[in-house]
Amino acid sequence: KQEVTQIPAALSVPEGENLVLNCSFTDSAIYNLQWFRQDPGKGLTSLLLIQSSQREQTSGRLNASLDKSSGRSTLYIAASQPGDSATYLCAVSGSARQLTFGSGTQLTVLP
Amino acid sequence: GAGVSQSPRYKVAKRGQDVALRCDPISGHVSLFWYQQALGQGPEFLTYFQNEAQLDKSGLPSDRFFAERPEGSVSTLKIQRTQQEDSAVYLCASSVTRGNGYTFGSGTRLTVV
Repeated sequence: KQEVTQIPAALSVPEGENLVLNCSFTDSAIYNLQWFRQDPGKGLTSLLLIQSSQREQTSGRLNASLDKSSGRSTLYIAASQPGDSATYLCAVSGSARQLTFGSGTQLTVLP
Repeated sequence: GAGVSQSPRYKVAKRGQDVALRCDPISGHVSLFWYQQALGQGPEFLTYFQNEAQLDKSGLPSDRFFAERPEGSVSTLKIQRTQQEDSAVYLCASSVTRGNGYTFGSGTRLTVV
């Protein structure tokens, strides 16, 4: 059974810092990996989708990498802003179509 | 529609009451998923539809949970005889193909008192 782990569980940084969120998964036979953002009391907003054949994806200040063989992905946020404060969730899609999620990293960016 | 729409946004139910949660996916999205998210946790898979066919219901926690999508568009998740442990956010997601990723709705927060 696929298991997804996200480290750290919570992170607090001053505004302007670059930061890295980590995601690991136990079964490397994935179809794709998706990073989401969740604001308190809200649904999930898709940030980046990486197909299993890709190594990274970029959108603005966000860059996500994928190392399928080692079962790892990282989400890099450049020049963090208070508006980036949210919970970041990593999810993988494998042989089953549904997503398996990690528990998330709660990010706080201090002004 | 432009996004995945879920209703109601909030539901308070007395223990033992039946509830029905609605999901209206993006038009043309063949696949529809239901997830349950407990406080402080990531979403957990409940069930999956492709068009009107329920292809996987392995995540439904008990036979009190029932989902349908009779015409291959709108889906309803029904919970019978609600219990306190059913309190959670219920999220719906849809996709046109798996390669395009998944779009989530805002969820329904269910509180059983």
